[in-house]
Amino acid sequence: KQEVTQIPAALSVPEGENLVLNCSFTDSAIYNLQWFRQDPGKGLTSLLLIQSSQREQTSGRLNASLDKSSGRSTLYIAASQPGDSATYLCAVPLRSTDSWGKLQFGAGTQVVVTP
Amino acid sequence: NAGVTQTPKFRILKIGQSMTLQCTQDMNHNYMYWYRQDPGMGLKLIYYSVGAGITDKGEVPNGYNVSRSTTEDFPLRLELAAPSQTSVYFCAIGGNDGYTFGSGTRLTVV
Repeated sequence: KQEVTQIPAALSVPEGENLVLNCSFTDSAIYNLQWFRQDPGKGLTSLLLIQSSQREQTSGRLNASLDKSSGRSTLYIAASQPGDSATYLCAVPLRSTDSWGKLQFGAGTQVVVTP
Repeated sequence: NAGVTQTPKFRILKIGQSMTLQCTQDMNHNYMYWYRQDPGMGLKLIYYSVGAGITDKGEVPNGYNVSRSTTEDFPLRLELAAPSQTSVYFCAIGGNDGYTFGSGTRLTVV
């Protein structure tokens, strides 16, 4: 059974610092990994999707890396801003044969960026 | 273009009552999902659907039922509410090209 762990559970940084969020998974035979953002009382917003054949994906200040062999992904957010305050979740397919859906989520990392 | 719309946003149920959580999408996507999120936890898949008339169980289906008579609608039914079903429920559509989530239904069973 795929298990996803996110460390740390919470993180507080001053504005301008870079953020490093970690995600680990137990079954390395995945098709992809996704990072989401969740604002309080809101739904999830998809940030980045990394296919198994890729080692990283970038979108603006966000960069996500994927190391399947070690079962890890890292989300980097450069030059953090107060608007980056949210909970960040990573998710992988529930089973290694699921390439399109049925995600297994980590518990998330709650980020606070102080002005 | 609203994306994924969930109703109601909040609900308090008494133990043993029933209710239906509504989910409607206007993106014509075949794949729809219901997840629940307990405090401090990630989301867990309850049920999913790959198209009208086709549904299947996820990781935590007990106590719930679904139907998918149209592409647009994917309601989640709670027949006999229990305190363990107190949670935030999210409906989603999507797949490998990304996901769109509804804003959630916060359900409390007392």
